[in-house]
Amino acid sequence: AQSVSQHNHHVILSEAASLELGCNYSYGGTVNLFWYVQYPGQHLQLLLKYFSGDPLVKGIKGFEAEFIKSKFSFNLRKPSVQWSDTAEYFCAVKGPGGYNKLIFGAGTRLAVHP
Amino acid sequence: EAGVAQSPRYKIIEKRQSVAFWCNPISGHATLYWYQQILGQGPKLLIQFQNNGVVDDSQLPKDRFSAERLKGVDSTLKIQPAKLEDSAVYLCASSLNRGPSSGANVLTFGAGSRLTVL
Repeated sequence: AQSVSQHNHHVILSEAASLELGCNYSYGGTVNLFWYVQYPGQHLQLLLKYFSGDPLVKGIKGFEAEFIKSKFSFNLRKPSVQWSDTAEYFCAVKGPGGYNKLIFGAGTRLAVHP
Repeated sequence: EAGVAQSPRYKIIEKRQSVAFWCNPISGHATLYWYQQILGQGPKLLIQFQNNGVVDDSQLPKDRFSAERLKGVDSTLKIQPAKLEDSAVYLCASSLNRGPSSGANVLTFGAGSRLTVL
C-alpha cells in the first residue's frame, strides 16, 4: 500500500531562516504529488503540485518543491520564511488509477517566530 | 466560485449517540471525498464518490459509519453509534476528476466538521 512519510513533526524557525520540509512516498510508479497547507483556523489549501515535466515546482507565497524520483522524495522549500508561514504542512501522493485517491502524510507543524 | 460547504462546524455528543455531517461540493465537481483527520495525524480517506456511486470505501468502518450522495451532488456522512475514538475533524473535499494527470484533479477542501465524543 502507498504511504507518505514526513520527517519532521514540529519545526521552529526565526523569520528569514530557510525552510526545508522532507517528504518521502512509498509508491514506485507514476505519481502525482502535492503539498497542502493549513493556516491556523483555516481549511486545507493547495500550496503546489507536481504532475509531470520540470521536477522543480513553484507554488504560492514563494514556496517550491523538488521531485527526485530516485529518492522517492518531494521536499518543500522556502528560502526565507515569514511569521505568516506559521501553519501545518501536509504532503500527499496520488498513485495510478482514475479515481484520484490522495494519501496524506502526518503533517509538519511549522512555527515561525518574529 | 463558491467553495465546499460543510455543516455543522462543531458537534459534541456522548458515546453511543449518533451524528450526521453534511457536505455540498463545488458545483460541477463529479468526485466527492470524506476524510477523517484525528489530532496530530494527516487526513485519512473514509469514502470516495464518483457522481453518486462509491468508488472507494475500503477504510470506512462500515459497522458504524455510513455515507450517501443522492443525486450526485451533496452528501451526508453518519456515525451511529459513536465511539470515543471517532473524535476528529471530518473533512469533505471535491474535484472535477477529468483524467489521471489533469490539473482538474486537485482536491478542494471544506472547513471541516469537528466532532468531540465524550
